[in-house]
Amino acid sequence: DIVLTQSPATLSVSPGERATLSCRASQSVSRDVAWYQQKPGQAPRLLIYGASTRAPDISPRFSASGSGTEFTLTISSLQSEDFAVYYCQLYTNWPPRTFGQGTKLEIK
Amino acid sequence: EVQLVESGGGLVKPGGSLRVSCEASGFNSSDYSMNWVRQAPGKGLEWLSSISGSGIYKYYADSVKGRFTISRDNAKNSVFLQMSSLRAEDTAIYYCARAWGSAGYFDYWGRGALVTVSS
Repeated sequence: DIVLTQSPATLSVSPGERATLSCRASQSVSRDVAWYQQKPGQAPRLLIYGASTRAPDISPRFSASGSGTEFTLTISSLQSEDFAVYYCQLYTNWPPRTFGQGTKLEIK
Repeated sequence: EVQLVESGGGLVKPGGSLRVSCEASGFNSSDYSMNWVRQAPGKGLEWLSSISGSGIYKYYADSVKGRFTISRDNAKNSVFLQMSSLRAEDTAIYYCARAWGSAGYFDYWGRGALVTVSS
């Protein structure tokens, strides 16, 4: 099975700054990666699919890139509502439908 | 508006069984693969099972294979997860999620149902 490793586990960033989150696959997965945001007490929400395409109604402050084994989610000009846990997911080459272990983005 | 609403969570003893349900609205659920994902307290997301729109194809994570069964009733726009031989480590919030098309990323999620396995 392909493993997704997210780094760092916790990222501390000040409001207004940029955050960069990483997701590495144990083997090439083309561009079949999605990113989700989860706030405390809420269900995950789709942010990005196809490695770089924003889901409907997602702020342009969220951008993503990558292919093969290295993927990045960037959040520019962080706002209070952006502090959450972010997960990457491989949605092909399944089963299983693998998630990364998550990166917690916290206020510095 | 697309909505997924889980129900059926609760407290169950180790070794017991429970069925959680997911009722879909705002779309024709038979057109979509549906999924169950769980999240243990303080932990990450774990995909458990998928079922095709027709209900013919079913897939499971190794952690639940042989203990959990996914099914659906398209006439009622509902998906089910029958869980048996439950263990303490099955304690989690169980989310229902819709997979978009053949690609399979999860574009809509329910709010989840809490299952607690404890004596």
